[in-house]
Amino acid sequence: DAGVTQSPTHLIKTRGQQVTLRCSPKSGHDTVSWYQQALGQGPQFIFQYYEEEERQRGNFPDRFSGHQFPNYSSELNVNALLLGDSALYLCASSRGTGGSSYEQYFGPGTRLTVT
Amino acid sequence: GNSVTQMEGPVTLSEEAFLTINCTYTATGYPSLFWYVQYPGEGLQLLLKATKADDKGSNKGFEATYRKETTSFHLEKGSVQVSDSAVYFCALSGWGAQKLVFGQGTRLTINP
Repeated sequence: DAGVTQSPTHLIKTRGQQVTLRCSPKSGHDTVSWYQQALGQGPQFIFQYYEEEERQRGNFPDRFSGHQFPNYSSELNVNALLLGDSALYLCASSRGTGGSSYEQYFGPGTRLTVT
Repeated sequence: GNSVTQMEGPVTLSEEAFLTINCTYTATGYPSLFWYVQYPGEGLQLLLKATKADDKGSNKGFEATYRKETTSFHLEKGSVQVSDSAVYFCALSGWGAQKLVFGQGTRLTINP
């Protein structure tokens, strides 16, 4: 049973460029959440997708956008990259929405470096 | 809003020592509480969870009890091993909102 997978593993971009990160959820999961983890910090919630719609959003600017596909996989897009966007981007999947006890399973992350 | 505060790190212990990592939270309603562990170069792994007051989560020798009266969820282990060296994150999820709110993490190093 494959867990959550993310691609690419590492990415180096220049300020002002755009980037797309990809995530495939754990088998049987239909909800995908994205988190940004700056160096030495805890992950910060970016947004969550369920039934191909953004259901919740954290305190991130509109430069951060996403998409969920019919097979439940998801993309995170970041436009007009800033140096401060350098971080580990984590994808987490879970089953359903509502309630608070659904376990979220995390992927290994994509390390984005903006120069 | 909801928030989680963890004890300052890093924490360095000798093998077989007793471990406590403090975690307190602020939340409305009845959140679920979690401990996640992150090994070097990896994503987060769920270590244990508790979904209501007085619940005790446990896994791999680690334990944490959901204390609503003190709004705490301290992580404990009776005898740590070198392989426990990692960063530990306390987190909460409010009812109706699966998003996780994390503490800043505590880096644990166990020396042989």
